[in-house]
Amino acid sequence: AQSVTQLDSQVPVFEEAPVELRCNYSSSVSVYLFWYVQYPNQGLQLLLKYLSGSTLVKGINGFEAEFNKSQTSFHLRKPSVHISDTAEYFCAVSLTGGSYIPTFGRGTSLIVHP
Amino acid sequence: DGGITQSPKYLFRKEGQNVTLSCEQNLNHDAMYWYRQDPGQGLRLIYYSQIVNDFQKGDIAEGYSVSREKKESFPLTVTSAQKNPTAFYLCASTVDRVTEAFFGQGTRLTVV
Repeated sequence: AQSVTQLDSQVPVFEEAPVELRCNYSSSVSVYLFWYVQYPNQGLQLLLKYLSGSTLVKGINGFEAEFNKSQTSFHLRKPSVHISDTAEYFCAVSLTGGSYIPTFGRGTSLIVHP
Repeated sequence: DGGITQSPKYLFRKEGQNVTLSCEQNLNHDAMYWYRQDPGQGLRLIYYSQIVNDFQKGDIAEGYSVSREKKESFPLTVTSAQKNPTAFYLCASTVDRVTEAFFGQGTRLTVV
């Protein structure tokens, strides 16, 4: 079975600073990888996804993520954050074969301070 | 616009009562899911359905029940057997493994 580990439960950062949210996964087969964002009392929205090809994936709102197969990681980055980026961020995996139920990490709360 | 609609947004229930959360989608997706979200625990899978008239238990199915009589609808019933039902419930759907999951806006259930 696959699993997702988000290494930081909370990441505080000042506005305009860079940020990295870490995600590692475990799977015996290859996976598809996703990052979602959740604002308070709302559902999740897709930020970006890695299916194949270039390991650097760009998403909405200036976010990007890099797939590293050897380290089984898919870290999310943004070079300069805004107050409006304050939200919960979830990493997720879906198997390329067999059952494709999405599996989510526990989430990382990004808190941007002015 | 296509999407997933969950209702109601807020729900209060007395202990010992069953309650049903609605989830409707017009995306023509085959697979639908129910997740429970608690602070610090991420999303935990309750039930999922990959085809009409078929559904499977997820990781925390005890105290919950579902039905899938139509492709568009996947209601979740929280029964009195669920010991700690206060949580935020999210419904999602996918068309296949390559596409992302689409989520509803959630239902916050509070037992009073």
